[in-house]
Amino acid sequence: ETGVTQTPRHLVMGMTNKKSLKCEQHLGHNAMYWYKQSAKKPLELMFVYSLEERVENNSVPSRFSPECPNSSHLFLHLHTLQPEDSALYLCASSQSQGQGSEQYFGPGTRLTVT
Amino acid sequence: GQNIDQPTEMTATEGAIVQINCTYQTSGFNGLFWYQQHAGEAPTFLSYNVLDGLEEKGRFSSFLSRSKGYSYLLLKELQMKDSASYLCAVAGRAGKSTFGDGTTLTVKP
Repeated sequence: ETGVTQTPRHLVMGMTNKKSLKCEQHLGHNAMYWYKQSAKKPLELMFVYSLEERVENNSVPSRFSPECPNSSHLFLHLHTLQPEDSALYLCASSQSQGQGSEQYFGPGTRLTVT
Repeated sequence: GQNIDQPTEMTATEGAIVQINCTYQTSGFNGLFWYQQHAGEAPTFLSYNVLDGLEEKGRFSSFLSRSKGYSYLLLKELQMKDSASYLCAVAGRAGKSTFGDGTTLTVKP
């Protein structure tokens, strides 16, 4: 596999469920990101990991919990979500977390909370 | 914080030239990115500017004026496949990128 992959591509969950989103990058990058993209709204940065350490937590509710076990993998653990959390969740990676480092995005997970 | 403005929608004709503007106000500036996002797909990188001036890459060019907080993406010889959303993103402190709302470009025959 090449690039950035995400699983699952689609997820429907109830408000009491617990699920996890998975992201894997095959680019040898050192930084990984989670974004939320809702209809009619800009991409919202949620979390940033650099060299497996969380360096950014953008005031995200605690019902979203990220995990970065190594530089190639990133998870987003979900529990007791709300309907307004329904959105496209995009993972991205970049060579470094700094100037000039473009981000490569995965295909996203389309999440629906019922 | 960051404040990024770009037009919501634009329409242009196949073969023509279109310019998509982006203005920003930022606390800390480490460059400006343009991404393309087709409907239902992930954003893909188009260009990066950190110094003033024009960067040309094939049919696409990007311009930056840091003193004016202004950038534009220029698309030449438009093709139908260029119909997409174009995202302006400013890299602030510690490389954190803030995205604009995106400009939806429709190319008509």
